Amino acid sequence: GAVVSQHPSRVICKSGTSVKIECRSLDFQATTMFWYRQFPKKSLMLMATSNEGSKATYEQGVEKDKFLINHASLTLSTLTVTSAHPEDSSFYICSARGTVGRETQYFGPGTRLLVL
Amino acid sequence: GEDVEQSLFLSVREGDSSVINCTYTDSSSTYLYWYKQEPGAGLQLLTYIFSNMDMKQDQRLTVLLNKKDKHLSLRIADTQTGDSAIYFCAESNQAGTALIFGKGTTLSVSS
Repeated sequence: GAVVSQHPSRVICKSGTSVKIECRSLDFQATTMFWYRQFPKKSLMLMATSNEGSKATYEQGVEKDKFLINHASLTLSTLTVTSAHPEDSSFYICSARGTVGRETQYFGPGTRLLVL
Repeated sequence: GEDVEQSLFLSVREGDSSVINCTYTDSSSTYLYWYKQEPGAGLQLLTYIFSNMDMKQDQRLTVLLNKKDKHLSLRIADTQTGDSAIYFCAESNQAGTALIFGKGTTLSVSS
C-alpha cells in the first residue's frame, strides 16, 4: 500500500519557538494532503486541506497565520507551528490522497508536539 | 453538521468475534471507512465501503452497512491480542475530501 511519512515523529520545544513538521508521500504523488490534530482520547479534527501549488484551505477556528502550510511539491507538505504555546501541544497527523483511487487517504504516523 | 458516533470501549476475549458499531448523520455519505490506531502511532486504513454496498468482507474483517439507518459495523472474527487498538469510523461525502471521524472505539482483547 501507499506510504506516508512524517518527520519528526516527536518534538519538544520552548514556548515562542516555531516548529516545522514534514509530511511526505513516499511512493505516490499526492495532489491533496490533509492536516489533522488529535487531542488525547479525542477524535481527529481536520485543520486544513493542502493542494499542491495553491494556498491551503483552513477549517473554521484554525488560525492560518499560526499554522502555516506549504505544499510545494506533489510529495511534500509542511506544517509550521509558529510561536508555539503549550496549548499547541498535540498529536498532528497528515494524510495524503493520490491522483488514482481518490477515495483512499493514507495517513502518516503522526508527530507528537510538546511545547514547554 | 455531520456527526459520527461510536461507542467508546469494547472488551472481548481472544478468539471471540468483536463487533464495533458506528452511526453517522450525513445522508450524502458516499464512502465509509474503518481505521485502526495503535498507541502512539498513526492511522492504518483497514477497509472502506462505498455507500451502494451492503457488505464487504476482507479476511477476518466484515463490514456491514445499513444505509437506511445510517449504521456501519466492523466485525473482527477470531479476535487476537494484536487487534487491541482504537478503531475509528469515518465518512466522506465525496471522493478525495477530508474525512469526518468518530471519537474512536478502544478495543481491549484479553487472553
